[in-house]
Amino acid sequence: DAGITQSPRHKVTETGTPVTLRCHQTENHRYMYWYRQDPGHGLRLIHYSYGVKDTDKGEVSDGYSVSRSKTEDFLLTLESATSSQTSVYFCATGQGIGTDTQYFGPGTRLTVL
Amino acid sequence: QKEVEQNSGPLSVPEGAIASLNCTYSDRGSQSFFWYRQYSGKSPELIMFIYSNGDKEDGRFTAQLNKASQYVSLLIRDSQPSDSATYLCAVGQAGTALIFGKGTTLSVSS
Repeated sequence: DAGITQSPRHKVTETGTPVTLRCHQTENHRYMYWYRQDPGHGLRLIHYSYGVKDTDKGEVSDGYSVSRSKTEDFLLTLESATSSQTSVYFCATGQGIGTDTQYFGPGTRLTVL
Repeated sequence: QKEVEQNSGPLSVPEGAIASLNCTYSDRGSQSFFWYRQYSGKSPELIMFIYSNGDKEDGRFTAQLNKASQYVSLLIRDSQPSDSATYLCAVGQAGTALIFGKGTTLSVSS
């Protein structure tokens, strides 16, 4: 395993509140990713990072922001949570992009009421 | 738009049989192909990857790649109930993020 942890593992929040999910890795991988997984949609990329302070948008980035101030930490923020953001969120890391293996964290189950 | 297609299943096989999971992709420039296994309520874990046309074997698992047909498959020999999971196909090329299929659910009955 790539030594990836996510916190919190479960969270229930109310519509309109900000939420921050944290991903921490111990493998010194350059790339870090945030995905959401929903029934019928599979894994969808939200944002990814290719270095400290270097990030890019994925397929479903609206309503989400990210930050990476240290190699080992990648934060995902829902600026104003909506019920459509109820999902399971996975962090992943990898040494390269596109041709290298991605390793996944355990996931965070987020419920927005 | 780049797409990765998988039959959602469920694919049901008896214990000891060969399970065949298939994946097609739309981008001819794709260079790398990954199979992940995901148990219910857990995160995806890598089973194997393949980069070149042909077969690649790892224990009971064989990945097959045919770039001309834009097709990659995963064979599981001597299927076990513990193989029951969702299998995700992922396709990539240098400089762009992997694209995942929606997964095929495999059920192995004892």
